[in-house]
Amino acid sequence: NAGVTQTPKFQVLKTGQSMTLQCAQDMNHEYMSWYRQDPGMGLRLIHYSVGAGITDQGEVPNGYNVSRSTTEDFPLRLLSAAPSQTSVYFCASSYGQGGNSPLHFGNGTRLTVT
Amino acid sequence: DAKTTQPNSMESNEEEPVHLPCNHSTISGTDYIHWYRQLPSQGPEYVIHGLTSNVNNRMASLAIAEDRKSSTLILHRATLRDAAVYYCILRDVVGQNFVFGPGTRLSVLP
Repeated sequence: NAGVTQTPKFQVLKTGQSMTLQCAQDMNHEYMSWYRQDPGMGLRLIHYSVGAGITDQGEVPNGYNVSRSTTEDFPLRLLSAAPSQTSVYFCASSYGQGGNSPLHFGNGTRLTVT
Repeated sequence: DAKTTQPNSMESNEEEPVHLPCNHSTISGTDYIHWYRQLPSQGPEYVIHGLTSNVNNRMASLAIAEDRKSSTLILHRATLRDAAVYYCILRDVVGQNFVFGPGTRLSVLP
């Protein structure tokens, strides 16, 4: 059971480049989300999805797009990378979106934008 | 979203119990209390969660105050591998999103 898998583990981009961070889970979880974590800080929610075909914005959505075409996958797209998007990105999923559903996290993608 | 307050850092000696406090004075009746921890260079890891009653699992115990305005994560016997940032978070039944604060950085001394 792989859990939540994120790829790549590391990425360096130049300002203005685009890329997609991949997230896949094999637990049949309905809820998936993306967080970013800046040095010394907690996690901030970027986007989330409560099921295939449904996405919504979190606390810091600007500069990021998401889609959810399948239950398993929830990619995060950076359309035009900026140095302010240098961060560690975590994908997380849970069985439901209710309070009784723990979140399961991937091991993160460390992104540097130069 | 209801907020939680945790100490910035705590220290413990190896093989001793650790009590990590969390205040959540604005908690609502439907908020579950979740604890996660984050080891260096890893994603957060689920530890335990509960609603009203105390909870135990293989990793830790969660003690919830009777008025639910505070809770305590108990590591019964700290090991060096327990050194991490511990996050206390509320999530309600309707499904508001998790809000992570800065957490408590636990250091375990050999």
